[in-house]
Amino acid sequence: EAGVTQFPSHSVIEKGQTVTLRCDPISGHDNLYWYRRVMGKEIKFLLHFVKESKQDESGMPNNRFLAERTGGTYSTLKVQPAELEDSGVYFCASSQARFKAFFGQGTRLTVV
Amino acid sequence: GENVEQHPSTLSVQEGDSAVIKCTYSDSASNYFPWYKQELGKRPQLIIDIRSNVGEKKDQRIAVTLNKTAKHFSLHITETQPEDSAVYFCAASNGNQFYFGTGTSLTVIP
Repeated sequence: EAGVTQFPSHSVIEKGQTVTLRCDPISGHDNLYWYRRVMGKEIKFLLHFVKESKQDESGMPNNRFLAERTGGTYSTLKVQPAELEDSGVYFCASSQARFKAFFGQGTRLTVV
Repeated sequence: GENVEQHPSTLSVQEGDSAVIKCTYSDSASNYFPWYKQELGKRPQLIIDIRSNVGEKKDQRIAVTLNKTAKHFSLHITETQPEDSAVYFCAASNGNQFYFGTGTSLTVIP
């Protein structure tokens, strides 16, 4: 069974540019989560999709972040325009029920 | 909202010794507590989990205990091996989002 996959694995962009991260969940998993870990701190929740609907987006830092999950399959997280404090590792996770979430390998975003 | 605290932040043990990592949570509605292991450069891997209707769960050298009254849960690793070296995260969930601790960097010294 394929796991959660994320693209790209690394991204270095300049402040003010746009970056789009992609997550392909495990097939059949309705729940998809985005998380971010900044500077060795805790893994912080960004948002939660159930199929194509946003169940909870209370963790999204501001309106520069936009997440989509068209068709309830893969998801994208766009940051526009990127700021220095957006640097970190962005994790995607998926689960079938609302337990046992499986993580992707993360996208390391560096804004310079 | 939920607040998960995790201690210690770093832990070094001799190979063969036991390691214990402790977490506390604040929301009594949390009912699911997974533990993840993240090796350097790899994805967080679910290693064990426990639900609130269970007080203890064991899987070979790994065990998790839960005290609902005190709102704390712990990860116990016995007979540690060098390959146990990693960052361990605890989490609490009420069935919606997961709230994570800050991680414990475990080093097992051969």
